[in-house]
This record gives sequence, structure tokens and C-alpha cells, in this order.
Amino acid sequence: AQTIHQWPVAEIKAVGSPLSLGCTIKGKSSPNLYWYWQATGGTLQQLFYSITVGQVESVVQLNLSASRPKDDQFILSTEKLLLSHSGFYLCAWSLTHSQNTLYFGAGTRLSVL
Amino acid sequence: GDQVEQSPSALSLHEGTGSALRCNFTTTMRAVQWFQQNSRGSLINLFYLASGTKENGRLKSTFNSKESYSTLHIRDAQLEDSGTYFCAAINTGNYKYVFGAGTRLKVIA
Repeated sequence: AQTIHQWPVAEIKAVGSPLSLGCTIKGKSSPNLYWYWQATGGTLQQLFYSITVGQVESVVQLNLSASRPKDDQFILSTEKLLLSHSGFYLCAWSLTHSQNTLYFGAGTRLSVL
Repeated sequence: GDQVEQSPSALSLHEGTGSALRCNFTTTMRAVQWFQQNSRGSLINLFYLASGTKENGRLKSTFNSKESYSTLHIRDAQLEDSGTYFCAAINTGNYKYVFGAGTRLKVIA
């Protein structure tokens, strides 16, 4: 069975500090991978997607970057956090063929102070 | 850009009653997925539809690609159905999933 693990579960960070969030998918080779952001009480905004190792496409610019260093790993990062980066970050995966059901991880709650 | 209009934004139901949620799409979408987000923030898959109707227990969903809408029907609502429901539409030929604004459902005893 496929499992998706996000880390950390929660973070409290200072404005201007760096950030790195991680996501690992086990049990599925070459998945499509996604990062989403959700403001408190808001909807989900797609940030990035990746269809293969080393290749990441940006959907919206939020002064964040993403990388896919391994087939099963997706990293979201920034050198300098802004207050507006606070929220809930969700990693997701889907299959690479026609039925692209999204499966989400448990998410990381980020508070920037 | 692609837009997904979800309604209602909030809904209160007494236990045992039912209602329908709806998503309208401004462009032709390839498929739609429905999620329930619980109080911990976890997103639970409810349905994935490329067309037609699917049913699972007290939930039923329909996707009409030609008329650009999807519905989620809840019947015999239970307290554990409370949460926020999202539809997400998938456009043809890309990897972008556009989410609706969500429906906050509260089931009352």
C-alpha cells in the first residue's frame, strides 16, 4: 500500500528565517507530486508539481521553491520566511496515467512570527 | 484562469436530513474530485469522477462535463459528516487541480 509522510508536523519560525518541509511517498514508483498551501479558513492553492526527478514546475509564485531530489521525495523551501507564509502545507501524489486521483499527506502547520 | 465556484459556502443540517453541494466550472474540466477536510486538516478522498455518477453509502456524486458542473449529495447526515467539503477540478492536458472555496458543513443533533 502507498503511504505519504510529511515532516515536520508543525513549525513555528521567525520572519526572515529559512524553511524546509519534506514529503516522502512509499509504495509507488514515479508518482506525480504536488505542493499545496492553505490559509486558515481558506481553500487549497496549488504551488508546485513534479512529474519526474529533478523537474519541478511552479504554479504560483509565493517566494517559495521546490525540489525533487529523489523519485519518492519532494522538498519545499525558502531562504527567508514572510508572515504571509503562515498556513497549512500539504503534499499530494497522483498516478501518471489517466486517472489522476489526488492523495494527500497529513500536512504541516506553519506559523511565522 | 480556470475557476471553480462552489456553493453553498456554509450549511447546517439536522441529523438524518440531507442536502446537495455544487461546483460550477468556467471551463471544460477533465475530471472532478471531492474531499472532506476534517478538524485535524486531513483531506479524505470521497469521489473521483471523469463522468457520470458514483455512490458510496450516504454520499452520491455526479459530474456533468458538458454542462460544467458537479454535485455532491449527502443523505441521512450524521455528526461525523461535519467538516469542510472541497471539490477539485482537473483541466485537460495539464497537472493543475483547481479547488473550490469549500462548503463548511455542520451537522446538528
